[in-house]
Amino acid sequence: AQRVTQPEKLLSVFKGAPVELKCNYSYSGSPELFWYVQYSRQRLQLLLRHISRESIKGFTADLNKGETSFHLKKPFAQEEDSAMYYCALRRGSTLGRLYFGRGTQLTVWP
Amino acid sequence: GAGVSQSPRYKVAKRGQDVALRCDPISGHVSLFWYQQALGQGPEFLTYFQNEAQLDKSGLPSDRFFAERPEGSVSTLKIQRTQQEDSAVYLCASSPRTNLNEQFFGPGTRLTVL
Repeated sequence: AQRVTQPEKLLSVFKGAPVELKCNYSYSGSPELFWYVQYSRQRLQLLLRHISRESIKGFTADLNKGETSFHLKKPFAQEEDSAMYYCALRRGSTLGRLYFGRGTQLTVWP
Repeated sequence: GAGVSQSPRYKVAKRGQDVALRCDPISGHVSLFWYQQALGQGPEFLTYFQNEAQLDKSGLPSDRFFAERPEGSVSTLKIQRTQQEDSAVYLCASSPRTNLNEQFFGPGTRLTVL
């Protein structure tokens, strides 16, 4: 079975501080990992995916298969980064369905 | 362009009532997903359509839940004889292809069962 764990329900940092949102997964195959974000009063949207190896809004995430982790990092948090962040996994063979973690609410204080 | 739309945005039902939730995906998107999000939790998969074919309904929690997409565009999620545990936000997402693509989410329908 597959599982996505986000251990922190709430995370607060000050503006300019580094931030890391943790995501661990369990899946025996080769997963695809994603980070989705939901800003206040907006819909859920894709932030980044591991397969693209991209940096979006200063965020990066590296898939570590040894540690089964896909932590989201940003070196200097901004107030506008305050949002709910969901880590999600897709199994290669499952036609696109996503398995989500419970989410981490990030608050960036001025 | 227009994103995924869902209606109604809010629905209050008495226990035992039937409800129907509508999703209008992005035009031309082949894949359509329904998720259920309980309070404080991440979205949980319910069912998946590729065009009009329902390819995966393994996430539907009971036979009271039924989804359709008869013409491969608009989809309806129906819940019969609603129970309090059905209270949640129901999210619809669409994707232009069957795999390896971003899912575009709608705003959700918040269902409250009294």
